Amino acid sequence: QSALTQPASVSGSPGQSITMSCTGASSDVDYYNYVSWYQQHPGKAPKLLIHEVSNRPPGVSSRFSGSKSGSTASLTISGLQAEDEADYYCTSYTDSATVFGGGTHLTVL
Amino acid sequence: EVQLVQSGGGLVQPGGSMRLSCAASGFTFPTYWMSWVRQAPGKGLEWVANIKEDGSQKYYVDSVKGRFTVSRDNAKNSLFLQMNYLRGEDTGLYYCARGHFGRDKWGQGILVIVSS
Repeated sequence: QSALTQPASVSGSPGQSITMSCTGASSDVDYYNYVSWYQQHPGKAPKLLIHEVSNRPPGVSSRFSGSKSGSTASLTISGLQAEDEADYYCTSYTDSATVFGGGTHLTVL
Repeated sequence: EVQLVQSGGGLVQPGGSMRLSCAASGFTFPTYWMSWVRQAPGKGLEWVANIKEDGSQKYYVDSVKGRFTVSRDNAKNSLFLQMNYLRGEDTGLYYCARGHFGRDKWGQGILVIVSS
């Protein structure tokens, strides 16, 4: 149950697109198509943005998209907005367990 | 409206026990896997436990195996986390969440502080 690896921080200007990575292993991200992404604002509960690698739940903006290549998953946010500044976490299913990444803080400049 | 309302939590001494509850409403509770996720102060999210719709399968992060027990009462639309032999590193905000592969609804979080 090793944690997934995410960059500690990323930044971008309003209107730009950014992509953040989530690196796992052959036993989790690479093996299962059960990667999810969550957004968490300070003092708030996490919000599901993407499930099963690239699926957006109802109500989530199309500016958020997910993908996967091998053991690395990615979250892309297009048309950055000030309210996108938050922490982002990836997770993957692995052998009856769930592993989270350490989280990436997104700063909107 | 889907709601997950948590209760329990508070201050407990190391080695003590605590039971967290999560009351579900607005959806058909018995048809969903449920999860517990925690967050230590200033840290990231950590999955704690999952329980299948009918309670027949339960899974835990290694660090809580043998100490925590997840359960549910489908007749009362409730999820529980019994925490025994608590340690300082168990301190944090505990969330209940709906789902297994994508946790789409979350409770408000409840704070557990393990300290003497």
